[in-house]
Amino acid sequence: DIQVTQSPSSLSASVGDRVTITCRASQKIVNKNLNWYQQKPGKAPDLLIYAESTLQSGVPSRFSGSASGTDYTLTISNLQPEDFATYYCQQNYHTPLTFGGGTKVESK
Amino acid sequence: QVQLQQSGPGLVKPSQTLSLTCAISGDSVSSNSAAWNWIRQSPSRGLEWLGRTYYRSKWFNDYAESVKSRLTIKPDTSKNQFSLQLNYVTPEDTAVYYCSRDVGAFDFWGQGTQVTVSS
Repeated sequence: DIQVTQSPSSLSASVGDRVTITCRASQKIVNKNLNWYQQKPGKAPDLLIYAESTLQSGVPSRFSGSASGTDYTLTISNLQPEDFATYYCQQNYHTPLTFGGGTKVESK
Repeated sequence: QVQLQQSGPGLVKPSQTLSLTCAISGDSVSSNSAAWNWIRQSPSRGLEWLGRTYYRSKWFNDYAESVKSRLTIKPDTSKNQFSLQLNYVTPEDTAVYYCSRDVGAFDFWGQGTQVTVSS
C-alpha cells in the first residue's frame, strides 16, 4: 500500500499569511496521481487540486500545488477567512486509494 | 452538474448488514471514464477508501483489504445508482459514509450518511 504522511497535523495562522502543508508518499506516485481536498465541519471534502498542481474549477489562485520526488506541497498564499478548514492529500495511483491524516488550519 | 444523493439508515445493530445507496444525476454509472466509490470517515480512522465499481467494457470492483471479506459494491444501471453492502458490522464501522465519483480525483461527493452501529 502507498502511505501518504501529511504534516503538520495542525497549524495556527492569521489572515494574510502564507501556509504550507506537506505530504510525503511512501513510494513514487506515477502520472501525477496526487490530489488535495479541503473539508469544513459537517461537509464532504471538496477537491482543490488534482494531478499535483492543477486547480479544480472555481478554486482561487491563492491555492497552489507542487511536487518534488515523493514530497508534495499545498501552499495557500494570502490566507483568507474562508480558508480555515482541514486539508487532505490523497494518492490515486494504486489501490487501496489512500488519504493523508489531514492538516487543520486554525485561526491564530 | 453531477449530483450524488445518498440514502440509507443511520443506525445499524451489531452483526447486521449496512446498506447504502448512491443515486447519480448528471453522469452514468456505466461511464467509461469514471469510477464510483465509497469512502468513510471516523475520528479513529480518518478518511478511509472502502472500494469502487466501474465499467470498462465489463464491470470491475476493487475493495480495501480491511473490509474485502464483508463488502459488496454493486451498480444498478436501471436506476443509475450504486450501492454498498457491508456485512457483520461492529461498532468499529461507525463512521460518516460518503459516495464519490473518481475521474482521477474525487470530484463529486454525496452529502454523507452518519452510520452508528449500536444495539
